[in-house]
Amino acid sequence: DGGITQSPKYLFRKEGQNVTLSCEQNLNHDAMYWYRQDPGQGLRLIYYSQIVNDFQKGDIAEGYSVSREKKESFPLTVTSAQKNPTAFYLCASSIRGSPTGELFFGEGSRLTVL
Amino acid sequence: LAKTTQPISMDSYEGQEVNITCSHNNIATNDYITWYQQFPSQGPRFIIQGYKTKVTNEVASLFIPADRKSSTLSLPRVSLSDTAVYYCLVFTYDGGGFKTIFGAGTRLFVKA
Repeated sequence: DGGITQSPKYLFRKEGQNVTLSCEQNLNHDAMYWYRQDPGQGLRLIYYSQIVNDFQKGDIAEGYSVSREKKESFPLTVTSAQKNPTAFYLCASSIRGSPTGELFFGEGSRLTVL
Repeated sequence: LAKTTQPISMDSYEGQEVNITCSHNNIATNDYITWYQQFPSQGPRFIIQGYKTKVTNEVASLFIPADRKSSTLSLPRVSLSDTAVYYCLVFTYDGGGFKTIFGAGTRLFVKA
């Protein structure tokens, strides 16, 4: 089945540690996105990538980094510079170039900083 | 980017029709209106998208008036499993990528 796979589903880290969240898709989509969701809030865009080897900052990129070396993969690193990293992280993908692009989301990764 | 405004929460009973209205006063000419559904600890799921007038699929209908400053998602005969958060988005493609703003959404609670 085609879809987006995020891992791990749950992750705990100590303050000061970097952590990388994985996002893989087999939908052959060019565009991929990372969102952050806090309890009771909507989603906020962290980074997005339209093509391989290119990515753009979203609204809350500080303290995060990404790479897009392969079309299928868009990992997100939460660095120690991110002041409040505890959140639910969602990866999505879409077809590039369509003005009506539908976002396909993964199941999310819940990060808790101890 | 056009921001959206929706009611924070709504209650309904099984079998009723539910209408959730969203306002998007600053919508641009090329923007589309999209609705997503999200269950707890899951990613949002696309429900429906439209540009103007009415769009219907097997899950919902979307009504958009001529001025496009608002839209209404209609869920026919809801069931308990429709309890979720519903997000209204204005979807903008500016050539450099998709831009969206997810608001806090509307929490729909369906009662037996």
